[in-house]
Amino acid sequence: EVQLVESGGGLVKPGGSLRLSCVASGFTFRTYFMSWVRQAPGKGLEWVASIGSTSTPNTHYADSVKGRFTVSRDNARNSVFLQMNILRAEDTAVYYCARGAVGANTGSDYWGQGTLVTVSS
Amino acid sequence: QSVVTQPPSVSGTPGQRVTISCSGSPSNIGSKTVNWYQKFPETAPKLLIYANTQRPSGVPDRFSGSKSGTSASLDISGLQSEDEADYYCATWDDSLKIHVFGTGTEVIVL
Repeated sequence: EVQLVESGGGLVKPGGSLRLSCVASGFTFRTYFMSWVRQAPGKGLEWVASIGSTSTPNTHYADSVKGRFTVSRDNARNSVFLQMNILRAEDTAVYYCARGAVGANTGSDYWGQGTLVTVSS
Repeated sequence: QSVVTQPPSVSGTPGQRVTISCSGSPSNIGSKTVNWYQKFPETAPKLLIYANTQRPSGVPDRFSGSKSGTSASLDISGLQSEDEADYYCATWDDSLKIHVFGTGTEVIVL
């Protein structure tokens, strides 16, 4: 059974940092793109970042987080991470980890339960 | 502001057919495939349609997708109360080099 479990969310002050983790199981992790998607309170879904598989280890970021967020993966630990720096109030959202790339041909077919990030003083 | 737009809401009575549109441009929908996601409050999104028309296993066949030019559509036939949710299209924009979700559509079952 495919499972994605996020952790690392919480309350952080503006300008602070947070690192989200997503541990995957039930599939060959290293062969899949992985994505981070967020939903702010009362807003729609927003793609945040994606990282390629071992064979295509490229990363892409939404303009809203470029230069502040970094996506990475550790295939030995079946994990993907999102390092979030210089956090702003508008980064407050539930963050989801997803298998695959949300807009690619095969889409993101499995999702974690989400972890809440609150940026507030 | 998303580069892909959807109507804020569509509504229908049980059993009716509703259509959700997703409008983009040549650099995204016009040249790339479209996926559709269903989102209930407090739950993770679910992949409903991928590659314009394909349904993952377990998705009822009353959900169908199509694409023409720079627009895509999600049809829900035989609308049911449990279909009341938010629906998002998603694609890749080849000019911006980003994945993009549509603005989202709330389906209301009257």
